[in-house]
Amino acid sequence: GQQVKQSSPSLTVQEGGISILNCDYENDMFDYFAWYKKYPDNSPTLLISVRSNVDKREDGRLTVFLNKSGKHFSLHITASQPEDTAVYLCAAGAGGNEKITFGAGTKLTIKP
Amino acid sequence: GPKVLQIPSHQIIDMGQMVTLNCDPVSNHLYFYWYKQILGQQMEFLVNFYNGKVMEKSKLFKDQFSVERPDGSYFTLKIQPTALEDSAVYFCASSFTGIDTQYFGPGTRLLVL
Repeated sequence: GQQVKQSSPSLTVQEGGISILNCDYENDMFDYFAWYKKYPDNSPTLLISVRSNVDKREDGRLTVFLNKSGKHFSLHITASQPEDTAVYLCAAGAGGNEKITFGAGTKLTIKP
Repeated sequence: GPKVLQIPSHQIIDMGQMVTLNCDPVSNHLYFYWYKQILGQQMEFLVNFYNGKVMEKSKLFKDQFSVERPDGSYFTLKIQPTALEDSAVYFCASSFTGIDTQYFGPGTRLLVL
């Protein structure tokens, strides 16, 4: 079964709004949680990550929220811009992150 | 930021032939990875490699698959012989340590006919 699940395959947000991307996971052993952005050349690039000892991490317009009891984490993008339009992958790992498990992706579209 | 390159970007081969996918990782990185993404599905871990050895592989890493990085050259994924179900995009990644950020290449699109 899918250990990391992004239930929304697509999301459209108005420019300037907050984009909220969600991810659910099954494995209690996961202790590394990350969001990747797929650029036009198709390479996934790490945006932001957290370890399980924190429940929130902020970096500029990006914030990751981790809810361990609910096995859920999310990415909030404030002041969304057209250049935020992309596919976003959530990912999780256990122990080190030598083996990352990815979600299927959410296609985010920011409308001007 | 650091770049991982993958050669070729696309490859079409006949079933049963051998194929080698090449990855040029970030220069000082020590850990190397392959992931497989079948069309319409999520990217899945295949194998990781450190110090000349496979550390962990998934059930997707069939006996027909092998990886190596001879003397700091390309990190390669070889499939011999190929099967129709090997058609996918293969992503390479590298990291400095096993707990550092993995940097991904743009993928090689493999089509087995």
